[in-house]
Amino acid sequence: GAVVSQHPSWVICKSGTSVKIECRSLDFQATTMFWYRQFPKQSLMLMATSNEGSKATYEQGVEKDKFLINHASLTLSTLTVTSAHPEDSSFYICSARGLAGGPQNTQYFGPGTRLTVL
Amino acid sequence: GQNIDQPTEMTATEGAIVQINCTYQTSGFNGLFWYQQHAGEAPTFLSYNVLDGLEEKGRFSSFLSRSKGYSYLLLKELQMKDSASYLCAVSNANAGKSTFGDGTTLTVKP
Repeated sequence: GAVVSQHPSWVICKSGTSVKIECRSLDFQATTMFWYRQFPKQSLMLMATSNEGSKATYEQGVEKDKFLINHASLTLSTLTVTSAHPEDSSFYICSARGLAGGPQNTQYFGPGTRLTVL
Repeated sequence: GQNIDQPTEMTATEGAIVQINCTYQTSGFNGLFWYQQHAGEAPTFLSYNVLDGLEEKGRFSSFLSRSKGYSYLLLKELQMKDSASYLCAVSNANAGKSTFGDGTTLTVKP
């Protein structure tokens, strides 16, 4: 139980294009989903928290118009990187929290999406 | 806010025991998690403590002292595959989210 998937696992795009990343909780309902970014050999950086059916809460310094988050259902959240630039190249990881049968408040992570912007 | 401190790096020998410490300062404490993250991969859940004491799960154990703001992850019978980063995360009920430490990179040597 408590499986979270992400798609795509990796993507290469040209500068200026938009990229959408999907995060799905496969066997539980995720009331809250989190989006993180991680640069090589650095710690996880929380970008935003999203609750199903409401607007995402962004961390300080994260541009909400650049990183669009939609959490339309209890099993799906999407992150769209708009007008991507090379500095947006990173490892994007989602996590989901809900009634997964495990300890409360546990965040289960997706496998991550490696984005490379040329 | 929350402060989480854990050592940056540790090295241990295969078959040995290693203890990774984590200290934290927070309000609205709602549990402490340990995650394992191999290079290039996402974190995976290891353990959860919300009450004081030791939780044992196979070769891994996690301890919590809420009054001291302290936790440790104990890894026994180390294997080469245990080489990874270990993340301590504190859940804050007020904020509705967990804060992650920077992680401890453990290297297991033969």
